[in-house]
Amino acid sequence: KAGVTQTPRYLIKTRGQQVTLSCSPISGHRSVSWYQQTPGQGLQFLFEYFSETQRNKGNFPGRFSGRQFSNSRSEMNVSTLELGDSALYLCASSSDRAQYFGAGTRLSVL
Amino acid sequence: QKEVEQDPGPLSVPEGAIVSLNCTYSNSAFQYFMWYRQYSRKGPELLMYTYSSGNKEDGRFTAQVDKSSKYISLFIRDSQPSDSATYLCAMSEASKIIFGSGTRLSIRP
Repeated sequence: KAGVTQTPRYLIKTRGQQVTLSCSPISGHRSVSWYQQTPGQGLQFLFEYFSETQRNKGNFPGRFSGRQFSNSRSEMNVSTLELGDSALYLCASSSDRAQYFGAGTRLSVL
Repeated sequence: QKEVEQDPGPLSVPEGAIVSLNCTYSNSAFQYFMWYRQYSRKGPELLMYTYSSGNKEDGRFTAQVDKSSKYISLFIRDSQPSDSATYLCAMSEASKIIFGSGTRLSIRP
């Protein structure tokens, strides 16, 4: 069974630009969650989607948004990038309580 | 106070030693407990997943949950240099999951 796939793996953007990250969950998993991971803050929850609906949301500004498609694939968008948005963005899919993570997208904002 | 507390380490032990990693939590509603291993520049990998109090063993790994003390542990027997990574505990109730900040572990050959 294929794992969680995130694309792209690496991304370099400049301040003010926007970015879209993609996540393909494990086949059969309907829940997709997004996290931001930085050395200082650890793993911080962004939002969770289940059956195309946002089910939970963390404490991030509105510049961070997401969506889920009917095939459970999910995208995350960050608009008006700031230097502090540089991080590893992780996607996780689940069918029960346990979450299975992708390798992440490392975003660098210059 | 954070809902989940985990000592960040770093923890350095010699190869072959038994490693003990721990987390405490404050929310008694947590019912599911997990341990993840994360290598540098990779996503977290699920190691252990438990529901009830008690012990669960998988190879060299044993997860222990004490709900009365709100304390969970991960033991690694016969530790290997390849076990060097950051270990994150996680716990959930309903659709909410909270991660610890992770403990950096280094196994010295």
